Amino acid sequence: DGGITQSPKYLFRKEGQNVTLSCEQNLNHDAMYWYRQDPGQGLRLIYYSQIVNDFQKGDIAEGYSVSREKKESFPLTVTSAQKNPTAFYLCASSIQGDGANVLTFGAGSRLTVL
Amino acid sequence: QKEVEQNSGPLSVPEGAIASLNCTYSDRVSQSFFWYRQYSGKSPELIMSIYSNGDKEDGRFTAQLNKASQYVSLLIRDSQPSDSATYLCAPWGWNTDKLIFGTGTRLQVFP
Repeated sequence: DGGITQSPKYLFRKEGQNVTLSCEQNLNHDAMYWYRQDPGQGLRLIYYSQIVNDFQKGDIAEGYSVSREKKESFPLTVTSAQKNPTAFYLCASSIQGDGANVLTFGAGSRLTVL
Repeated sequence: QKEVEQNSGPLSVPEGAIASLNCTYSDRVSQSFFWYRQYSGKSPELIMSIYSNGDKEDGRFTAQLNKASQYVSLLIRDSQPSDSATYLCAPWGWNTDKLIFGTGTRLQVFP
């Protein structure tokens, strides 16, 4: 079945550590996105990529980094510069990056800083 | 003014009633509008999209769009407890290449 796989589902991080969240899709979608969701909040865009080897900052990119070396993969690194990283992280993809296409979401990764 | 505004709720309705969820947006060039449903602890899933003024029906769901008023709504008829979730509104316009989500309205359907 086609879909988006995020891992790990739960992750605990000590302060000062970098962590990488994995996102893999087999939908042959061009565009991929990372969103952050805090309790009782909507989705805020961190980074997005419309094509391999290219990506753009979203609204809250500070403290995060991404890469898009393969069409299928869009990993997100939460760096130690992100002061409040505890959140629910959602990866999504769409056929094209023009926003008019439907987003398909992964199951999410929940990051907790100890 | 926020780009997308939704009442956070919770909106409580009895089983079998009509639930009405509202969303206003600030970008006048918005062309497409999406409603996503998100159960607690889960990821969002698309339930409706609407592109033209008027109503669009899909089963128990009806999306209503009024571009002049910059207003889009979602009606859920014959509400069921399984409809209890947060509903996210996301408009999109030609001047952007990403979706901006509202904060969502939490719906509670009680038996």
